[in-house]
Amino acid sequence: GNSVTQMEGPVTLSEEAFLTINCTYTATGYPSLFWYVQYPGEGLQLLLKATKADDKGSNKGFEATYRKETTSFHLEKGSVQVSDSAVYFCALLRGSTLGRLYFGRGTQLTVWP
Amino acid sequence: NAGVTQTPKFQVLKTGQSMTLQCAQDMNHEYMSWYRQDPGMGLRLIHYSVGAGITDQGEVPNGYNVSRSTTEDFPLRLLSAAPSQTSVYFCASERSPLAGRHEQFFGPGTRLTVL
Repeated sequence: GNSVTQMEGPVTLSEEAFLTINCTYTATGYPSLFWYVQYPGEGLQLLLKATKADDKGSNKGFEATYRKETTSFHLEKGSVQVSDSAVYFCALLRGSTLGRLYFGRGTQLTVWP
Repeated sequence: NAGVTQTPKFQVLKTGQSMTLQCAQDMNHEYMSWYRQDPGMGLRLIHYSVGAGITDQGEVPNGYNVSRSTTEDFPLRLLSAAPSQTSVYFCASERSPLAGRHEQFFGPGTRLTVL
């Protein structure tokens, strides 16, 4: 079946620290991979995506590389800010499932000044 | 563009009551879906629709009904509320999954408590 596993949170960092949130997936075929972010009290927003192996998605200083050999899509940022405090969700989409996203459990990130 | 809107933002029900969660989008998106978000569970798909008049079940459809009479609206009905349906509900839309853009837009959510 299709599933996404994210590292357990919460993650607490100081401002300007390096961030990694691990994400691995199980899927048949060649899924597209996504990171969504949810700020407090809001819905989810697409942060970045990658649609094929070795693609790198990037946005707002965040990056993730689609690694088929390790079935991973880890999220990284070199220097986090307080405004990055949010819940981050890794998700996959299989082309045959017409828009159906499979989400990980989410990782709460808190950044302190 | 208002994007994806949901009403109400908060709702408290008693066990056995019924209600409808409203979802509307003004982006002319073909695809719409409902998710529920529970602590430590991520988001799980309840129902989805690939166009007006077409709906299908997701991962956790029991206890919920949907219909899609227009492109813009996709209401979610709770037939007889149960405490297990206490959750945050998100509606999402996408222009067309077949268009390959793969970006879903989410509403702000409805926080439902069933006593």
